[in-house]
Amino acid sequence: DTAVSQTPKYLVTQMGNDKSIKCEQNLGHDTMYWYKQDSKKFLKIMFSYNNKELIINETVPNRFSPKSPDKAHLNLHINSLELGDSAVYFCASSQDRGEQSSGNTIYFGEGSWLTVV
Amino acid sequence: AQKVTQAQTEISVVEKEDVTLDCVYETRDTTYYLFWYKQPPSGELVFLIRRNSFDEQNEISGRYSWNFQKSTSSFNFTITASQVVDSAVYFCALSDNTGGFKTIFGAGTRLFVKA
Repeated sequence: DTAVSQTPKYLVTQMGNDKSIKCEQNLGHDTMYWYKQDSKKFLKIMFSYNNKELIINETVPNRFSPKSPDKAHLNLHINSLELGDSAVYFCASSQDRGEQSSGNTIYFGEGSWLTVV
Repeated sequence: AQKVTQAQTEISVVEKEDVTLDCVYETRDTTYYLFWYKQPPSGELVFLIRRNSFDEQNEISGRYSWNFQKSTSSFNFTITASQVVDSAVYFCALSDNTGGFKTIFGAGTRLFVKA
C-alpha cells in the first residue's frame, strides 16, 4: 500500500490554466506538507498543515492555495499557471507528536511532474 | 539561522570505491533532527536515516554509515564498496524549532557510480 499518494503523477498544461494536485496519506500522520523541487533539484517547503491547520506558509505566490479537508488529505490548487511553475511537487507527511511520533521524519509521495507550456 | 550545506555538487566514483558525502548544518536550537534522503533517477525521495541532536553515536546500516559530530556541525554519510545502484542524488536535511520544526534540505549531492 502506498503510504503517501499523490495524483496526477504527470501533468502538462498551458499557461493561464488552473490545476490541482491531490494528496492522501494512510500513515495516520497529523502533519502534511507540499514541497517544490526545481530543475536544479533544490527542494523547498511551500506549505505545512497540522491537523488541518496551516502552520507553515513560505513565500509562495497567492496563485498557490492548499486545502486540507481532513488530516489525511492535502490538496494543492494552482491558478493562472506560469512557465516558472514547472517543477516537481512533492506531498509529504510526518507525525510530530505523541506516541506514534516519527520524530519529524518526513515521508514523501512519488511526486507530481508539472510542465507548463 | 537554519541552514544545510552540501558543498559537493557532484561526485563520480568507480564501483567498489568508498565515498563520503559531506553535510554541514547551522542551527541555534539545542534540539534538532538531521536526516539523509536518497533520490534515485526514478525520482522518489527515500528516507535513509534520522538522528536527533542528543544522540551522537555513529550508525552503520549495511554499506551505509553516518558520522554525526556536533563539534563541527557535520553529519556525513559514507557508502562503502559503492555499487551502480547507489547512483542518486542524496539530500541532507535539518529540522529544528525554527518556525515550528520546519525541515529544510541541502542542495543535494549527485553521486555517479560507474561500473
